[in-house]
Amino acid sequence: QKEVEQNSGPLSVPEGAIASLNCTYSDRGSQSFFWYRQYSGKSPELIMSIYSNGDKEDGRFTAQLNKASQYVSLLIRDSQPSDSATYLCAVNPNSGYALNFGKGTSLLVTP
Amino acid sequence: DADVTQTPRNRITKTGKRIMLECSQTKGHDRMYWYRQDPGLGLRLIYYSFDVKDINKGEISDGYSVSRQAQAKFSLSLESAIPNQTALYFCATSDPGLASTDTQYFGPGTRLTVL
Repeated sequence: QKEVEQNSGPLSVPEGAIASLNCTYSDRGSQSFFWYRQYSGKSPELIMSIYSNGDKEDGRFTAQLNKASQYVSLLIRDSQPSDSATYLCAVNPNSGYALNFGKGTSLLVTP
Repeated sequence: DADVTQTPRNRITKTGKRIMLECSQTKGHDRMYWYRQDPGLGLRLIYYSFDVKDINKGEISDGYSVSRQAQAKFSLSLESAIPNQTALYFCATSDPGLASTDTQYFGPGTRLTVL
């Protein structure tokens, strides 16, 4: 079983701080990596995707990938209460299979 | 209009009943998926289909069956519902395209309760 591991949290950060969410994966051959945000009772929505080692920035979000360490992270700058949600890490081992999802990290941004 | 729709959005049924959950998409994607989500267990893959003639079991397919009626439609059936199938069910679609990125897009979900 190819695994994607996330700390379940909750991760609590004050408004305006940087939230750091981490994910490790077991399949060294994994090709693409995704972060989804999910509000309670709602469907997951794509935040970021990353395919190459290094950083990828989109607004307040930065995804970081280190394939050698099998590690992917999501940084949220200037965290807002509206960022409070569960963040799911997903890994595509190759294009011939479905995504593997982690169980998610719950983020709470306090005013 | 939403690109991925699911019907019904909520359903309460009794043990032993046959239930069908439907998913339709207007994204033109070949790949479709069914997941269930339970508190603390994350998203678990039930079945997936990479085209109309391709159906594959996921990690928790027992007690479920699927039908891919067309590129745009993918249905999930519970032949004889049981209480531990109470969950939030999501349909998703993807298209690997040229970059083989295979980003998945999710429908709004169906909340199923089996009494």
